[in-house]
Amino acid sequence: GAVVSQHPSRVICKSGTSVKIECRSLDFQATTMFWYRQFPKQSLMLMATSNEGSKATYEQGVEKDKFLINHASLTLSTLTVTSAHPEDSSFYICSASTAGTANYGYTFGSGTRLTVV
Amino acid sequence: SQQGEEDPQALSIQEGENATMNCSYKTSINNLQWYRQNSGRGLVHLILIRSNEREKHSGRLRVTLDTSKKSSSLLITASRAADTASYFCATDAWNTGNQFYFGTGTSLTVIP
Repeated sequence: GAVVSQHPSRVICKSGTSVKIECRSLDFQATTMFWYRQFPKQSLMLMATSNEGSKATYEQGVEKDKFLINHASLTLSTLTVTSAHPEDSSFYICSASTAGTANYGYTFGSGTRLTVV
Repeated sequence: SQQGEEDPQALSIQEGENATMNCSYKTSINNLQWYRQNSGRGLVHLILIRSNEREKHSGRLRVTLDTSKKSSSLLITASRAADTASYFCATDAWNTGNQFYFGTGTSLTVIP
């Protein structure tokens, strides 16, 4: 149980275009989802916390207009990287809180490797 | 910084030896979790320890938590080459809205 599906796993896009990444909780309802970014050989940095039905909370230094987060249902959160630039190339990972389920914790998606050319 | 600190940053051991990684964090927590990540891949959850627990075991893994020192350790016994990966601790806390913050990570190499 507690599976999070993230799609796509890899995406290459041209500079200036937008990319949408989906994060779905498959067998549980996730009122809260988190989005992380990881640069090579570095740790995961929390970008934003996404709550179903409300605006996302962004960490300091993360541009909310560039990284649009939508959490319209209890099983789906999306991250859209708008007007992507090469410096946005990174590994993006979502996670969902399983609070309220039998196995409380945080389940992670498998990540999306974004390359902006 | 939102991150906790882990040490060592890198660790290289022979197969069969034990590996110990340490994690220090900054604020009071609800839970602390350890994850592994193979190069360029997603995260694998290893173990969760709650703030009222001091030690937990899972197979070859042993995790300790010292809330007075705001630190945790992960011990991998009888290491195998397949244990080669990066290991991260992550914490969540009520007073930070349950956001989940990762430590800086330890890169473990187990030499066959």
